[in-house]
Amino acid sequence: EAQVTQNPRYLITVTGKKLTVTCSQNMNHEYMSWYRQDPGLGLRQIYYSMNVEVTDKGDVPEGYKVSRKEKRNFPLILESPSPNQTSLYFCASSRDRGRGTDTQYFGPGTRLTVL
Amino acid sequence: AQKVTQAQTEISVVEKEDVTLDCVYETRDTTYYLFWYKQPPSGELVFLIRRNSFDEQNEISGRYSWNFQKSTSSFNFTITASQVVDSAVYFCALLTLFGNEKLTFGTGTRLTIIP
Repeated sequence: EAQVTQNPRYLITVTGKKLTVTCSQNMNHEYMSWYRQDPGLGLRQIYYSMNVEVTDKGDVPEGYKVSRKEKRNFPLILESPSPNQTSLYFCASSRDRGRGTDTQYFGPGTRLTVL
Repeated sequence: AQKVTQAQTEISVVEKEDVTLDCVYETRDTTYYLFWYKQPPSGELVFLIRRNSFDEQNEISGRYSWNFQKSTSSFNFTITASQVVDSAVYFCALLTLFGNEKLTFGTGTRLTIIP
């Protein structure tokens, strides 16, 4: 089954404790991205990756890191989480823009609470 | 700059009524894509439709229909004979060809279908 998976689905942590949210897709998609969803703000892009070893900042990258060492995986790293990073996080993937199909498919979401 | 406006924050209708969710977008690009996603109470984001800027044909899929009008920069979504399972938050989103494949989301419309 074609899908984007995220782990963990729920996480409660404390300020300053490093954490990683994993994202994996099995569709051989080149493009992957992370978004955060906050009430009244919709979804905003954090980081994206056009392909392996190619990453770039989105609209709200502060406090986050990513890596893309393999095509299928795109982990989101919070080196020192703070309460303002409490949010619902989504990973998404899509085929390369040049292929003509740009629909982004989303993972199930990770609800993060930073105390 | 790109922007998507969903002016209706919350809508409630009685089951079997028709309901239209409004979406207005802004972009200076001539090639772009518009999307609707559904977020049910379980939290995942479900892709509903993708429409490119050169195709203004309206689309119908079962009880769902979409009205794309470039003249008013709108991409409205109508649910006919609504059902309780339609209760969700609905997001309209915009993607431009020469951007970073970032989806610019509206703030969402929470639709509640009253039995």
